[in-house]
Order: sequence, then C-alpha cells, then structure tokens
Amino acid sequence: GQQVMQIPQYQHVQEGEDFTTYCNSSTTLSNIQWYKQRPGGHPVFLIQLVKSGEVKKQKRLTFQFGEAKKNSSLHITATQTTDVGTYFCAGPWNTDKLIFGTGTRLQVFP
Amino acid sequence: DTGVSQNPRHKITKRGQNVTFRCDPISEHNRLYWYRQTLGQGPEFLTYFQNEAQLEKSRLLSDRFSAERPKGSFSTLEIQRTEQGDSAMYLCASSLDPGMTQYFGPGTRLLVL
Repeated sequence: GQQVMQIPQYQHVQEGEDFTTYCNSSTTLSNIQWYKQRPGGHPVFLIQLVKSGEVKKQKRLTFQFGEAKKNSSLHITATQTTDVGTYFCAGPWNTDKLIFGTGTRLQVFP
Repeated sequence: DTGVSQNPRHKITKRGQNVTFRCDPISEHNRLYWYRQTLGQGPEFLTYFQNEAQLEKSRLLSDRFSAERPKGSFSTLEIQRTEQGDSAMYLCASSLDPGMTQYFGPGTRLLVL
C-alpha cells in the first residue's frame, strides 16, 4: 500500500531560525495537503498543492510539490513560538481518503 | 461556529463496555470521514461516507466497530466490547465533495481502562 514518510521526526530550533520538513510518498500523488496539529489539538488544514513543481507561499511558510509529484516540502522562515506543533503531509490514495505522513514535530525555543 | 463538531470530547470507559461517538459535519458537506490517531502518529483512515452511504472501511475497522450516517448529516461511530488497544483520538472530517479539502473536528479522546 501507499506509504508517506516525513523527515525529520523531530526538530528543535531557536526562535528566528528556519525550519524545513520533507515528505516522500511511495506512489505518485494527485495532490498533496499539509496540516498543522498543535499539542492537544486536531489537524488544521494549511494548503493543498496540485501541480507538478508547484510552489505556494503563506506569509513565512513556503510549500513545494516535487516535479514527479512524489515529494513535497514545507519551509518556515524565521520561526516563532506560535509555529510549535506537528506538521503532517497527506495524500489521497485510491479514492480520496487521506494517507498521512509520519509527521514532523517542531519545538521552538524563545 | 459552523465547523465540524464532535461529542463527547473525552470518554473514559472500562474494558468490555460499548461507546458511541457523534460527529456533526459542516453543513452541506457530502463526504464524512472517520480517522483514528494514536500518540505520536498521524491520523489513520477508518471509514467514509458519501451522504448516507458508507463507501469504504479500512481493515483497521474490526467487527466491533460500526459507523452510520443515517440521514446523510451527522454520523455515529460505535465501538463494542472496548479493548485497551482502542484507546486513541477518534477524528471526524468532512468535505464538500470528493477530492476537496477535508476539515477536521476537535476529536474524541477515548481511554479504555
């Protein structure tokens, strides 16, 4: 079956440093979605990428979808303590149920 | 607030008891999904509905689990004869149509003692 892996599993950064998480799928995806989950919270939708090579920005967050549509990345510039949480990528598989990545937990120290 | 709502938010039960969770999706969303999330893991798909029809069930969903969406609006997820391994966060999500963004509810955290 489809597998979606993310690296790193954990990342601790000093506030103001940059952060990147990478997502790799075992199969080609029709689209990739990113979610943020705060500690004790639920996944909150951030963005969806559809086109090969697509790049989207949301303020300090930059999302990329690979040319082969099998990988993606999320880059945060100048992290803030409000960025703390776990970032998941997710791709639709077979139908449109989401297969979530393993997640990257971000901790930001002030 | 017109987001996805779930009740109860927390449930503690003893092994062997039955529990039922409710999910109210965003109004007019045709698709409703159930996921399960254990500590440190991403959500895992359990089942989903298109209106009142249950279209797919994961192999994770044993015979003790049943889900319904009788009128194509709210949904219930029942677990019979709960086991300690059922302890997890049960998340509901809805989307307007297939392939569109899924919006998650706050989840029901289940602890089986």
